[in-house]
Order: sequence, then C-alpha cells, then structure tokens
Amino acid sequence: EAGVTQSPTHLIKTRGQQATLRCSPISGHTSVYWYQQALGLGLQFLLWYDEGEERNRGNFPPRFSGRQFPNYSSELNVNALELEDSALYLCASSSDRARTEAFFGQGTRLTVV
Amino acid sequence: SQQGEEDPQALSIQEGENATMNCSYKTSINNLQWYRQNSGRGLVHLILIRSNEREKHSGRLRVTLDTSKKSSSLLITASRAADTASYFCATDAKGGGNKLTFGTGTQLKVEL
Repeated sequence: EAGVTQSPTHLIKTRGQQATLRCSPISGHTSVYWYQQALGLGLQFLLWYDEGEERNRGNFPPRFSGRQFPNYSSELNVNALELEDSALYLCASSSDRARTEAFFGQGTRLTVV
Repeated sequence: SQQGEEDPQALSIQEGENATMNCSYKTSINNLQWYRQNSGRGLVHLILIRSNEREKHSGRLRVTLDTSKKSSSLLITASRAADTASYFCATDAKGGGNKLTFGTGTQLKVEL
C-alpha cells in the first residue's frame, strides 16, 4: 500500500513568487495535515483538512493557504514568498478526524532565493 | 512555541546499547506519539500511547507515559547503526483541534 506522497521533492522559488505543494494521502484516509519544519524552529502545525473543509489552522499568515479535493488529496499554496519560508514542508494523513495517528510523507524542500 | 521538550538534545551510544529519550509537555493530552526522522526527510511514525495507557511496546521500542508528571520516555533496546536519526515526541492536546505539537527532538547517533 502506498504511503503519503508529496510533490515536488524540491522546489526553488524567487522571493515574491507563489509556490504550490501537493500531497496525496494514504488510500482511505480523509484527513490531511500540513507542517512546516524550518531550521531552528522545529515542526510547526500549518493546516488540517478533513472531508474537503479546513478544520484547524496554525499561527501562520493568510498567504499560507490550501485546499482539499474530493479525492482527499491536498494542495498547500504559499503566496508572496519570503526568504523565511524556506523549509521542509511535510504532509501527513490520518484515517478520520477522530484519529490523530498521523503518517507523514517525505516532504517538499522549498528554497526561496 | 514547542510544547514538548526532549531530553537529551543529542545522544551518542555504541551499537547494542540501549537508548533512552525523554519528553516533557505542558497541557492535558489525548495521546502522545513518537516519530523518527532520518536526515531531514519525512517522519516515520513509531508508536502512539493514549492518555489512559502507561506503557506500550513495539518490537525493540518501549514507551512509557506519566500524565501526572506530563512526561514520556522512549527506550530503544539493543540499538543498531540504522537507528541513527532524530526522534520527536508529538502531543495531541485536549481541545487542540487535532493539531500535533512537536518537541525539539533528540539526535541519536549509534556508532559501530
């Protein structure tokens, strides 16, 4: 069974541009979570989607947004990129909103230059 | 801010020895999970322990939870070089909206 898959693996963008990161959850999982792992800041919760709805949001500015599609895959969009957005972005999925046992993908390494 | 704080920050042991990592947290939790991360890549889920459980085993892993002290420990027995990684605890706080709050991590190095 395939795990959580993320694309692209690496992404290099220029400051001010937009980045789109994609995540496919484990088959049968309805909840998708996004986390940011920036150097020196540890793993920070970004967003939680379940059944197509945003259920919770971390302490990030509105230029971090996303959505979940009917097939439960998800996109994370980061607008007006700043140098500090350089980080590993991790997606996780769980089987339903009541379960937080989350399984992570390999991440997308975003570098903003 | 990080709710979980792992101790030690770094640990270096010889293959075959046991490794113990500790995690402290601040709020009431539904569960606590341990993850492993190799070389800044994805997180591997190791074990979940619920707030009403005190101890859980999975292979060479043993996790304990003391909710009165708001602390957990992860013991890896008979360590192998392949266990070299960063280990994180993550808490699901009551009323936290399914958000996992991660600790700062312990870097484990197992030497041959």
